[in-house]
Amino acid sequence: NAGVTQTPKFRILKIGQSMTLQCTQDMNHNYMYWYRQDPGMGLKLIYYSVGAGITDKGEVPNGYNVSRSTTEDFPLRLELAAPSQTSVYFCASRTRLGEAFFGQGTRLTVV
Amino acid sequence: GEDVEQSLFLSVREGDSSVINCTYTDSSSTYLYWYKQEPGAGLQLLTYIFSNMDMKQDQRLTVLLNKKDKHLSLRIADTQTGDSAIYFCAESKNRDDKIIFGKGTRLHILP
Repeated sequence: NAGVTQTPKFRILKIGQSMTLQCTQDMNHNYMYWYRQDPGMGLKLIYYSVGAGITDKGEVPNGYNVSRSTTEDFPLRLELAAPSQTSVYFCASRTRLGEAFFGQGTRLTVV
Repeated sequence: GEDVEQSLFLSVREGDSSVINCTYTDSSSTYLYWYKQEPGAGLQLLTYIFSNMDMKQDQRLTVLLNKKDKHLSLRIADTQTGDSAIYFCAESKNRDDKIIFGKGTRLHILP
C-alpha cells in the first residue's frame, strides 16, 4: 500500500513564483488535511477537506488554495510565493475511526 | 480556543522509562493522538485514545488520559536509542474535524 504520497519532496522557488504541491492517497479516505511545519512551532493546519468537492480553511490559509475534485487527490496551490512560506508541508488523510496518516513531506524554500 | 501544550525537551537514560506529558484545553476533544517524527521524516501515528477511555497499552507504550484535568501522557518503557525523536500530542473533536497539534517534545536518549 502506498498510503499518502506527496510530490515533490524538495523544491526551491523564487519570490512571486507559483507551484502546486501534490498529495494523493489510495486508502479511500474522505478526510484530508494540509499542514505546514516550522521549526519549534509544531504543525499548523492550512486547509482541510471532508470529502470530494468540500474544502475548508484551517489556521493559516492565507497565500494558499486547495481543490478536491476526487477522493484521492488534494493538491495545495501557492500562487505568489513569499519567503514566509518556506516550510515543510505535510499532507494527511484520515480514516472513519479517526486515525490520521501522513505523507513524507515537501520541503519548500522560497528565495 | 483550542490549544495543546507539551514540554519541548526530555532527556532519558537508555533502559529507563520515558514519560511525555501533554495538556489540552478543549474539553470536547474526542480523539487524542501521539505521533512520532524522526529527523527528516513525516509523522508516524504511534497510538491514539478515545476520550471515553483512561488508559491504552500497546507493547512498550502506555497512554494515560485524565479527562478531568485534560492531561494526556505517553510512557515508553525500556527506552531505546531508536526512540530518539520528536513526539507530538494532538487532539480532535471528532473524526471530520481538524486535528490540533502541540509543538512537540524532543526526546533525547542518554547512554
